[in-house]
Amino acid sequence: DQQVKQNSPSLSVQEGRISILNCDYTNSMFDYFLWYKKYPAEGPTFLISISSIKDKNEDGRFTVFLNKSAKHLSLHIVPSQPGDSAVYFCAASAGGTYKYIFGTGTRLKVLA
Amino acid sequence: NAGVTQTPKFQVLKTGQSMTLQCAQDMNHNSMYWYRQDPGMGLRLIYYSASEGTTDKGEVPNGYNVSRLNKREFSLRLESAAPSQTSVYFCASGADTEAFFGQGTRLTVV
Repeated sequence: DQQVKQNSPSLSVQEGRISILNCDYTNSMFDYFLWYKKYPAEGPTFLISISSIKDKNEDGRFTVFLNKSAKHLSLHIVPSQPGDSAVYFCAASAGGTYKYIFGTGTRLKVLA
Repeated sequence: NAGVTQTPKFQVLKTGQSMTLQCAQDMNHNSMYWYRQDPGMGLRLIYYSASEGTTDKGEVPNGYNVSRLNKREFSLRLESAAPSQTSVYFCASGADTEAFFGQGTRLTVV
């Protein structure tokens, strides 16, 4: 049973516009969430994280929003750039274990 | 600054053969992980080690064994490879707030 779900396998966005990637989770014990970016033939790289005590975290063009009641988080990229084209994974862990469970990924394509 | 190093990068095995994937990190992290990535399935946790000498099953541990011999190294062993284990394998090590991944091992079992 998938505990972390990314229901959109792919997303295309025009350069300069906002990209919104979504992630849902089922385990109410998850209290720490991360987003990773992955280019082909490379390992995933960390992008941004959020603790369950917050509902928003911002880092430059990247903002993560957490809605605990809906068990939903989203990653906003503004403005989107062609170099942002990659697969994005959300991940979650529970109770300070740092045992990260990942979603299935969303392939973002930013069109120039 | 190597980070997380995985060997080998590519491997082809015949069904029934065994092999060990090696992983080493130089960041003094306590936690280490093995994931596999398959199309449409994302990254799935195989095994996890919270500290030297401890290991814990992840989401898909069947068919695999692991060894955390010291703080730096965490190996993944396939005792009898099956075509279903064809995948890209990633090792990672973790600080408190994020995990750092290696470049991956592309394994094909024929």
